[in-house]
Amino acid sequence: EVQLVESGGGLVKPGGSLRLSCAASGFTFSSYSMNWVRQAPGKGLEWVSSISSSSSYIYYADSVKGRFTISRDNAKNSLYLQMNSLRAEDTAVYYCARDHLNDYWGQGTLVTVSS
Amino acid sequence: AIRITQSPSSLSASTGDRVTITCRASQGISSYLAWYQQKPGKAPKLLIYAASTLQSGVPSRFSGSGSGTDFTLTISCLQSEDFATYYCQQYYSYPGFGPGTKVDIK
Repeated sequence: EVQLVESGGGLVKPGGSLRLSCAASGFTFSSYSMNWVRQAPGKGLEWVSSISSSSSYIYYADSVKGRFTISRDNAKNSLYLQMNSLRAEDTAVYYCARDHLNDYWGQGTLVTVSS
Repeated sequence: AIRITQSPSSLSASTGDRVTITCRASQGISSYLAWYQQKPGKAPKLLIYAASTLQSGVPSRFSGSGSGTDFTLTISCLQSEDFATYYCQQYYSYPGFGPGTKVDIK
């Protein structure tokens, strides 16, 4: 069974940093691209970042470019999102999702940026 | 960037109704479009990809059509478990989601 489990969310002050993790199981992690998608409270879905299976290709939404860094460790079946210079508008539930089709999603982890 | 719009933003329907949601891309995206269903407090679920291909395990009352810039999601006979918010997403270029369509009970 495919499972994606996010962790690392929490309350952080504006300008602070946070690192999200996504632990994958039930599939060959190293064969799939992975994505981070977020959802602000009461709002729609927003794609944040994508990384190819071997980390050769990395893409970011303009809203996070230069502040967020996506990475993965295929040996540990894990996906990461390093978030720096956080702003109030980054407050959201952050989901990791598999493949360009987002065919499997984690349960999400809440990031709250507030003073 | 490719902009995605959806209509309507919300609709009220009854169990058994036929429901159609429209998604429009600001430029042609061939068939690189997916549809997701999201229920409150839950992660989205992939329903359809490549505009019309049903994801494994998704009931056949869901169908998708379209190519280029105009797409539709149809629920042929609405069931109680279908009341949710539906999003389309293009993956022709950097991924982008539509704003969503909330389907609630009339």
